[in-house]
Amino acid sequence: DVKVTQSSRYLVKRTGEKVFLECVQDMDHENMFWYRQDPGLGLRLIYFSYDVKMKEKGDIPEGYSVSREKKERFSLILESASTNQTSMYLCASRNPGAYNEQFFGPGTRLTVL
Amino acid sequence: DQQVKQNSPSLSVQEGRISILNCDYTNSMFDYFLWYKKYPAEGPTFLISISSIKDKNEDGRFTVFLNKSAKHLSLHIVPSQPGDSAVYFCAASRAILTGGGNKLTFGTGTQLKVEL
Repeated sequence: DVKVTQSSRYLVKRTGEKVFLECVQDMDHENMFWYRQDPGLGLRLIYFSYDVKMKEKGDIPEGYSVSREKKERFSLILESASTNQTSMYLCASRNPGAYNEQFFGPGTRLTVL
Repeated sequence: DQQVKQNSPSLSVQEGRISILNCDYTNSMFDYFLWYKKYPAEGPTFLISISSIKDKNEDGRFTVFLNKSAKHLSLHIVPSQPGDSAVYFCAASRAILTGGGNKLTFGTGTQLKVEL
C-alpha cells in the first residue's frame, strides 16, 4: 500500500514564525504536491514537484516555498506565518502517467495565532 | 475562477437509497475526472475515476457518469450506507502522457450524510 506521511497532525505557531511541514512517501513516486483545504474552497494547490529539485507554483503559492532534495520527501515552508495561513495542509504523491491518481497523507492542521 | 464546481455543499439521504452527487466543469481541456472521499481528520482517498472517452464507469456500489456536452459528471452510490457519510470531492485534470505531474483541480466538496 502507498503510504504518505506528514510530520505533524496538529501544529500551533505564532505570527511571524518560520514553519516547516514535512511529507514523506514510500512508493518511489516522482510527483509530489502540497494543497491546503479550507471550508467552502475545497483543495487548492500550493506547489508541486515533478521530480527531485524540480518545483512548480500551483494556484496559491504566495507566502509559501518548497524544497525537494530527496525523491521521497517534499517540504512546505511558510517563511513568516500569518493568521490567514491557518488551514489544513495536505500532501499527495503519484507516479507520472495520464491516469494515475494522487495518494494523500493524513493532513496537518496548522493554527497560526 | 472556479473551474470545477460542486453546487451542493451538503446532501442527506436515507440508508439504502441512492445518493447522487453532482459536479460541473468549465474547462473543455479537462479529460480525466476523479472522485475522492474524505473523512474528518483524514486525507482524501481515491474512489473512482473516468476518462473522457467513456460516459460511465462502475465499481461496486459506485458509478460515475460523464456528460461531456454538458460538462457535467455525477457520482451515484447505491445503496447508500452510513459509512459513506463523508465529504466528496470531484477533481479534474488533463491526461498528459509526460513526466510532468498532472495537476488536479478540485471542486469545493459535498458533505454527504447517510441517515439510518
